[in-house]
Amino acid sequence: DIQMTQSPSSLSASVGDRVTIACRASQSISSYLNWYQQKPGKAPKLLIYAASSLQSGVPSRFSGSGSGTDFTLTISSLQPEDFATYYCQQSYNTLFTFGPGTKVDIK
Amino acid sequence: QVQLEQSGAEVKKPGASVKVSCKASGYTFTSYDINWVRQATGQGLEWMGWMNPNSGNTGYAQKFQGRVTMTRNTSISTAYMELSSLRSEDTAVYYCARGIRTTLNSYYYMDVWGKGTTVTVSS
Repeated sequence: DIQMTQSPSSLSASVGDRVTIACRASQSISSYLNWYQQKPGKAPKLLIYAASSLQSGVPSRFSGSGSGTDFTLTISSLQPEDFATYYCQQSYNTLFTFGPGTKVDIK
Repeated sequence: QVQLEQSGAEVKKPGASVKVSCKASGYTFTSYDINWVRQATGQGLEWMGWMNPNSGNTGYAQKFQGRVTMTRNTSISTAYMELSSLRSEDTAVYYCARGIRTTLNSYYYMDVWGKGTTVTVSS
């Protein structure tokens, strides 16, 4: 199985900050990488697919980059509604795996 | 609008089985995969498997092989996930999610999620 890691596991930030979350795959997955946001008690929400494609309806302050094994999710200016946990997920093969998550909370 | 409606909470004893349903609406059920993802309290997301509602083909995470079965009833646009030999570690929220594969490059992602079904395993 392809293993996914994320860093940091948590971070504290203020409204307006630029936030970057890293995701690494245990082998090359090309651009088969998705990002999801999850708020407490809610289902995950798709933000980014294919490493850098913004899902319809998602604010443009979210962006994704990377290919191969290293990927990044960036929030250009953190908003109050962005405090949540973020997960990366690989879809390189048909045995999908999620990263452990990065919790973004208020500084 | 596109929705996935999941069945209600379940309480099961260790060793029993649970069957969770996921009813699709607002789109053609057989045109997209259904994935199942679970999350124990305070833990991350764990992908369990996928099913193609058109063919019935499935793919399961190795961890659940032999214990999980994903099926569907196309006449009522409903997918099912059955997990057997339940143990306390299976206590979690179980989500169904629609899977989309793009025509170009076959990128795959889960764009619509159900609200989750809580399964509690307790003696």
